Amino acid sequence: NAGVMQNPRHLVRRRGQEARLRCSPMKGHSHVYWYRQLPEEGLKFMVYLQKENIIDESGMPKERFSAEFPKEGPSILRIQQVVRGDSAAYFCASSQEGFSSYEQYFGPGTRLTVT
Amino acid sequence: QKEVEQNSGPLSVPEGAIASLNCTYSDRGSQSFFWYRQYSGKSPELIMFIYSNGDKEDGRFTAQLNKASQYVSLLIRDSQPSDSATYLCAVKGNQFYFGTGTSLTVIP
Repeated sequence: NAGVMQNPRHLVRRRGQEARLRCSPMKGHSHVYWYRQLPEEGLKFMVYLQKENIIDESGMPKERFSAEFPKEGPSILRIQQVVRGDSAAYFCASSQEGFSSYEQYFGPGTRLTVT
Repeated sequence: QKEVEQNSGPLSVPEGAIASLNCTYSDRGSQSFFWYRQYSGKSPELIMFIYSNGDKEDGRFTAQLNKASQYVSLLIRDSQPSDSATYLCAVKGNQFYFGTGTSLTVIP
């Protein structure tokens, strides 16, 4: 049973380019969460999605960042016009139930480096 | 004030000792509390969750919750070198809030 999958594992982008991060939840999970982890700052919640719906995006920066979880395919976190400050590890987690579920399983993360 | 605060450590304990990790939170409405373990360069792994005041034991791990004091802790008994990692405290209120983690080193 495959766990949460994320790709790419490492992504290098120049300033001003776009970054697309993909997350496939665990089988049977329909809830996806995106987190960003900066050194010394812990995990920061970004967005919570169900299929075709954004449930909570209160942690998402207002500009340049967007997320989707289409009916078919993985969830996508998109960062437009990346800046150096976007360099971080981006983790996706999934759960079977909703936000009240206590079991979120994390993917291996995508390490984004902006040069 | 941060939503979740942890001592960053590092915390060092000898093999076989009890490691005690602490966490405080600011939102009194928080409902659920979690401990994740994160090895360097890896993703967080859920090891314990607790909802009610008191203790919850799972193998060598015990989570303790005191909602009145807004305090949650994790005890690791018979610490092993393989327990060396960063331990993240997470609290669910309206969102999940994570602490910055406590680095634990178990010395053989």
